[in-house]
Amino acid sequence: EVQLVESGGGLVQPGGSLRLSCAASGFTFNNYWMHWVRQTPGKGPVWVSRINSDGSSTNYADSVKGRFTISRDNAKNTLYLQMNSLRAEDTAVYYCATTYSSGFDSFDIWGQGTMVTVSS
Amino acid sequence: DIQLTQSPSSLSASVGDRVTITCRASQSITSSLNWYQQKPGKAPKLLIYAASYLQSGVPSRFSGSRSGTDFTLTITSLLPEDFATYYCQQTYSALAITFGGGTKVEIK
Repeated sequence: EVQLVESGGGLVQPGGSLRLSCAASGFTFNNYWMHWVRQTPGKGPVWVSRINSDGSSTNYADSVKGRFTISRDNAKNTLYLQMNSLRAEDTAVYYCATTYSSGFDSFDIWGQGTMVTVSS
Repeated sequence: DIQLTQSPSSLSASVGDRVTITCRASQSITSSLNWYQQKPGKAPKLLIYAASYLQSGVPSRFSGSRSGTDFTLTITSLLPEDFATYYCQQTYSALAITFGGGTKVEIK
C-alpha cells in the first residue's frame, strides 16, 4: 500500500524549532517530488515547500522562506521539514503529499497530517 | 500569487441533487486546476486533475470542466458520503501553488 506517515508535531514556543518527518512506503520514494502543505482549522490548505526527487532542488512559500528547510533521505525513504523561528501563524496541521499516479502536479497521495502548535 | 476564488463558500443540498461549485482564477492557468474533497479530520482527497480528468477510483458522478479562467466541479447526484468541503488548487505557478478558500456542502 502506498502510504505517507508524518510525525514530529507538537507544542513549541514562539521562536522555537521543530523537525517534522514523513515516512514513505509502498512506492519508489526516490523517483518522486515531495511537498509539504499546511492547513489551519477551518481554512483552506496552503502549500509550504517542495523538493525534487534527488534533493538537489527546493522551493518555498514566501511565508516560510529563510525559516523552514525541506530535505529528504532517500536511503531512509523519509522527507523532512526543519522549522526554525516559529511564529504563532505557523500553527497548523502539516501534511506531506506527492503526485504518485495522477498528473499535472496534483497531489494524489497525502499523509494523515501532524499538528504543530506555536504558543507560549 | 495566483488567486483562486471559489463560490459559493457554502451550500445546502439534498441527497440526489445536482451540485455545481465554481473556481475562478485571477489570471490564465490553462488547465492546471485540480479539485479535492476533504472531510473533517482527514487529508484532502484528489477528485479531478488537469481541470477535467477523473482521478482513478473516484466515482463518475464527479466531473470537472473549464471555460477560460472559470472552472467547475459538478456532482450529478449527491450521495450522503459527498457532504464535505471541496477545494480547488492551481499548479500553473509551480513555485507558488495555491488553493481556493473552499466550498462546504451541507445537508439540507
